[in-house]
Amino acid sequence: DIQMTQSPSSLSASVGDRVTITCRASQSISSYLNWYQQKPGKAPNLLIYTASSLQSGVPSRFSGSGSGTNFSLTISSLQPEDFATYYCQQRYSMLWTFGQGTKVEVK
Amino acid sequence: EVQLVESGGGLVQPGGSLRLSCTASGFTLSSYWISWVRQAPGKGLEWVANIKQDGSEKYYVDSVKGRFTISRDNAKKSLYLQMDSLRAEDTAVYYCARESYCGVNCFSGLFDVWGQGTLVAVSS
Repeated sequence: DIQMTQSPSSLSASVGDRVTITCRASQSISSYLNWYQQKPGKAPNLLIYTASSLQSGVPSRFSGSGSGTNFSLTISSLQPEDFATYYCQQRYSMLWTFGQGTKVEVK
Repeated sequence: EVQLVESGGGLVQPGGSLRLSCTASGFTLSSYWISWVRQAPGKGLEWVANIKQDGSEKYYVDSVKGRFTISRDNAKKSLYLQMDSLRAEDTAVYYCARESYCGVNCFSGLFDVWGQGTLVAVSS
């Protein structure tokens, strides 16, 4: 199975900050990488698919990049509603696997 | 409105069984792969199983193989997860999630619609 490792596990930031989360795959997954946002008590919500494509309805302050084994999610200017946990997920090879998550907290 | 609604969660003793259901509305269920994804309390997301549009292919994470069975009834717009020989480590919120359409014979792995989740607690 392909292992996904996110860093950091958590971070503290302020409104307006630029935030970057990284995700590394244990083998090349081309660009088959998705990002999800999850708020407490809620289901995950798709933000980015195929590494850099923005899901419909997602604000443009979210962006994704990378290919192969190294990927990143960037929030250009953190908003109050962005404090949440973010997960990467590979869809290169069944069985689908997620990173362990990155919690973005208020500084 | 495109929607998935899970039901069937609850408290069960170790070794027991439970059957989760997921009902779809607002889209044609028979066109999509569907997955079950779980989240243990305070932990991350774990993909559990999925099933092809017509039920002809099913895949499972190793930790549930031989204990969980995924199935579907497109006429009833429903998915199921039969969970047997439950263990404490199966305690989690279980979500059903639609995999976005990518054609007849391809894997998507892109979860674009999620249910609200149902809690399964395995404890004596």
